[in-house]
Amino acid sequence: EPEVTQTPSHQVTQMGQEVILRCVPISNHLYFYWYRQILGQKVEFLVSFYNNEISEKSEIFDDQFSVERPDGSNFTLKIRSTKLEDSAMYFCASSLDVNTEAFFGQGTRLTVV
Amino acid sequence: DQQVKQNSPSLSVQEGRISILNCDYTNSMFDYFLWYKKYPAEGPTFLISISSIKDKNEDGRFTVFLNKSAKHLSLHIVPSQPGDSAVYFCAASGLEGAQKLVFGQGTRLTINP
Repeated sequence: EPEVTQTPSHQVTQMGQEVILRCVPISNHLYFYWYRQILGQKVEFLVSFYNNEISEKSEIFDDQFSVERPDGSNFTLKIRSTKLEDSAMYFCASSLDVNTEAFFGQGTRLTVV
Repeated sequence: DQQVKQNSPSLSVQEGRISILNCDYTNSMFDYFLWYKKYPAEGPTFLISISSIKDKNEDGRFTVFLNKSAKHLSLHIVPSQPGDSAVYFCAASGLEGAQKLVFGQGTRLTINP
């Protein structure tokens, strides 16, 4: 069964450093997403991406965040200068269409120290 | 942001019995609702969805009921199995944010043998 894969599974970084979280969405999906879950809190939407551009983003997704689809298979989330409060589980997801279910990857646990 | 609420943080059910998980929402613009299941250290796994034009959708042991007037949906699992033990998230999206899922805080379901 096709799945969304994320690497790495766990990333530890120093405050102020840049991190890139990587995702390979399901191959025939057209919409890509990043969500995050801070420990003990809800899963929160960050950004959606369609046709090589951001189609929607939340207030969390400020100038420190960017997304890119550098080739036909990868979808990345970059945090330019990490803060302690960026520590969370980051989930990539993809969907075939805008009103079909999103399939999630297993997540990358980001720890900022 | 309490647009989607799952008021029961946990639920314990005997194996073979029915599990009923509840979810309330406040935003009347939501028109698509989903249930996800999550095991520790994994991403959310899609279970079942329902659009606002329906009041029931069934898939095997899983049935989702939608009561639009009460802004309430529920997930029924029958019969419950030990492998159903997980955290269940209700999520919603709408025309104004079709690509953005708003999640509830989750209900931890434990199936007892």
